[in-house]
Amino acid sequence: AQSVTQLGSHVSVSEGALVLLRCNYSSSVPPYLFWYVQYPNQGLQLLLKYTSAATLVKGINGFEAEFKKSETSFHLTKPSAHMSDAAEYFCAVSDRRGGYNKLIFGAGTRLAVHP
Amino acid sequence: GAGVSQSPSNKVTEKGKDVELRCDPISGHTALYWYRQSLGQGLEFLIYFQGNSAPDKSGLPSDRFSAERTGGSVSTLTIQRTQQEDSAVYLCASSTGLAGDGDTQYFGPGTRLTVL
Repeated sequence: AQSVTQLGSHVSVSEGALVLLRCNYSSSVPPYLFWYVQYPNQGLQLLLKYTSAATLVKGINGFEAEFKKSETSFHLTKPSAHMSDAAEYFCAVSDRRGGYNKLIFGAGTRLAVHP
Repeated sequence: GAGVSQSPSNKVTEKGKDVELRCDPISGHTALYWYRQSLGQGLEFLIYFQGNSAPDKSGLPSDRFSAERTGGSVSTLTIQRTQQEDSAVYLCASSTGLAGDGDTQYFGPGTRLTVL
């Protein structure tokens, strides 16, 4: 069965500092992996996704993630944090056994950015 | 174009009452998903529709929960005899349903359900 572990429920960085949000997955099939962001009282917005093409995936708002099969990881990074990046971030793996993308989410990481 | 919309945005109900939550997917999207986001359980899959049929209802937590989709578009999630543990944000997502390339799901803003 697929599962996702996000290390660190809360991460705090200074504005301009590197953002690193960790995600490890477990999957019995080659995975599709996703990062979503959720701002307060809003739905989820897709940041980026990995679907077995390039292992370094670039997304919106300057975020990127690298798929590392040997480490079963898909960590999210951004070189320089901005105040507007403060939100909750969810990593997800797709359970594709039924031919559709049923998303299995991690518990989420709340990112705080301070001046 | 218009994104996924959900109504109501907030719903407060009394224990034991029935509630209906509505989702309007992106036009042309054949796949529709319901998820639940709660403090204790995080984000959980509830049900998947392809067109009007629901081949995967495995996430519905009890028989008090049901969902339907009509005309391959609007979906309604119904919770009968609500309990306090049903309090959560219910999120709907839609996608093209095309296989491959991750078939991105687009999420609505959610309905926050509070059961008193």
